[in-house]
Amino acid sequence: NAGVMQNPRHLVRRRGQEARLRCSPMKGHSHVYWYRQLPEEGLKFMVYLQKENIIDESGMPKERFSAEFPKEGPSILRIQQVVRGDSAAYFCASSPVSYNEQFFGPGTRLTVL
Amino acid sequence: AQSVTQPDIHITVSEGASLELRCNYSYGATPYLFWYVQSPGQGLQLLLKYFSGDTLVQGIKGFEAEFKRSQSSFNLRKPSVHWSDAAEYFCAVGGLGNTDKLIFGTGTRLQVFP
Repeated sequence: NAGVMQNPRHLVRRRGQEARLRCSPMKGHSHVYWYRQLPEEGLKFMVYLQKENIIDESGMPKERFSAEFPKEGPSILRIQQVVRGDSAAYFCASSPVSYNEQFFGPGTRLTVL
Repeated sequence: AQSVTQPDIHITVSEGASLELRCNYSYGATPYLFWYVQSPGQGLQLLLKYFSGDTLVQGIKGFEAEFKRSQSSFNLRKPSVHWSDAAEYFCAVGGLGNTDKLIFGTGTRLQVFP
């Protein structure tokens, strides 16, 4: 059973461009979580999704950030008009049910030039 | 607001020495508790978790943690550290009422000297 997959692993964007980060949860997992890790900091929760629904987006910046988890395909975290402060590692986690262990992917490291 | 505190930013130990990493949380009820390890440039791997029951939890790689309700603590221990244990360790809490998110501490970086 493959683990949580994230791609790309590294992404470089110039200020003002869009970044799209993809996350494929483990097989049988319908709960997806996105976290952001700024340099030298712990992980901060961004958003929690189930198939086709956003359950909790309390950690998501109000502007430029959006997330989806369609019926088919991976979960997407989209950052529009990136700024230097968006440079971070973005981790996706998945779980088969809520209030359970979350399995983390390897992360996408976004660098904004 | 809920929070997780890892008071030690950086710890250095000699190989073979014992280890204890501290974690305290702030939450009204007993949360779910986790310890994750992150090697440089890698994702997070779960070492152990506590949901309920026996307060001494055994994990992978020889790690254990003890939940102490009276101290709101969940410290991670290992009796004899190996050089391969050098990494960043994160304590996290979950099961926080109406949200399923994990709240992480800021991490403790472990360095192991031969």
